[in-house]
Amino acid sequence: AAGVIQSPRHLIKEKRETATLKCYPIPRHDTVYWYQQGPGQDPQFLISFYEKMQSDKGSIPDRFSAQQFSDYHSELNMSSLELGDSALYFCASITRGNTGELFFGEGSRLTVL
Amino acid sequence: AQKITQTQPGMFVQEKEAVTLDCTYDTSDQSYGLFWYKQPSSGEMIFLIYQGSYDEQNATEGRYSLNFQKARKSANLVISASQLGDSAMYFCAMRRPISSGSARQLTFGSGTQLTVLP
Repeated sequence: AAGVIQSPRHLIKEKRETATLKCYPIPRHDTVYWYQQGPGQDPQFLISFYEKMQSDKGSIPDRFSAQQFSDYHSELNMSSLELGDSALYFCASITRGNTGELFFGEGSRLTVL
Repeated sequence: AQKITQTQPGMFVQEKEAVTLDCTYDTSDQSYGLFWYKQPSSGEMIFLIYQGSYDEQNATEGRYSLNFQKARKSANLVISASQLGDSAMYFCAMRRPISSGSARQLTFGSGTQLTVLP
């Protein structure tokens, strides 16, 4: 079965650069979540989208923005990168009426040098 | 606010033995979902098991079972017949209901690093 696809899987950037992470949810999933997991930390919720509209916002820095497109894929844009942005970024998807599991992608590992 | 507490930063278990990973939670919601995820060193987040707050029976998925004690607000994960491949970080997580307006994102505990010994 198709899973949540994230790209790139690994990304290396320098301070003050920008980065874009992409997430392709499972087909027919209308809700996408972004999480950030720093080294040795638990995942922290950043932002979510339902039907291409932002539905909730967590601890997402102002330097970050995200959107969900008409094909339901989502992109997380990060600007003015800082060393502390080095983390594993997860995307997860679900259908809104589903009360079961949230399906995670394999994550995109961002390293800021 | 919701809070998930995993008090065991690390656990060791002998191969083929059973192990219990503790998870307690705090919420004022009547309806919620509890999850366990496994994160191996490669980083992906693998769903293991789910328990709804109104489910009367404990959830089971193969070698995984969830010991759900609602009055104590605990949702411990039991792994039976441990295998070397079970060595990983394990996260307990909770999701609020749709009616909370929080879009049902997950709140994670701090995780338990399980090491299975040969």
